[in-house]
Amino acid sequence: DVKVTQSSRYLVKRTGEKVFLECVQDMDHENMFWYRQDPGLGLRLIYFSYDVKMKEKGDIPEGYSVSREKKERFSLILESASTNQTSMYLCASSPRLAGLGEQYFGPGTRLTVT
Amino acid sequence: DAKTTQPPSMDCAEGRAANLPCNHSTISGNEYVYWYRQIHSQGPQYIIHGLKNNETNEMASLIITEDRKSSTLILPHATLRDTAVYYCIARLNTGFQKLVFGTGTRLLVSP
Repeated sequence: DVKVTQSSRYLVKRTGEKVFLECVQDMDHENMFWYRQDPGLGLRLIYFSYDVKMKEKGDIPEGYSVSREKKERFSLILESASTNQTSMYLCASSPRLAGLGEQYFGPGTRLTVT
Repeated sequence: DAKTTQPPSMDCAEGRAANLPCNHSTISGNEYVYWYRQIHSQGPQYIIHGLKNNETNEMASLIITEDRKSSTLILPHATLRDTAVYYCIARLNTGFQKLVFGTGTRLLVSP
């Protein structure tokens, strides 16, 4: 089975802190994604990566950065956390360029910024 | 992505088949039908996808009508753990298009 793991299920941070969310997949997938999910707004793409050291902005990249130094690991960084970044953060991976509809998600990190 | 329409909620008795419908009347010829589900407080889970032919895997079956304007996801023997929101998506399987979930169908499986 494809397994996508995220470093924390729940996280509480203070405004202005630098926050690291880690995601690891064990199926040698080329593509990895970071989304956030908020009630009434659905799933929104923050960043994605189609190869090591490659990244592309999604719909809402402001306030976020990413890092992909190894194929299996994709990190999301909140440079200076703000209260409007309180959300559920979801990491996903996908096995190939064709077939991006087939994405495998991690359990999510519920981040609260106070 | 083509627009999809799903009923907001459905009920199913445990052990019975759950048949979840989806309308996608504007689907184009090269758009696939994908199904995901999301159990409360968990990440979405990919279930199955298809283009024209019916598909089956260990989780579910997907029946697509011949004109491709609608489809049905079938969970053959629903369990309580199948209680979730089910999303039907019609999209290409190439390119970096983000996943967009609509409002989905909230399936409640009861004992």
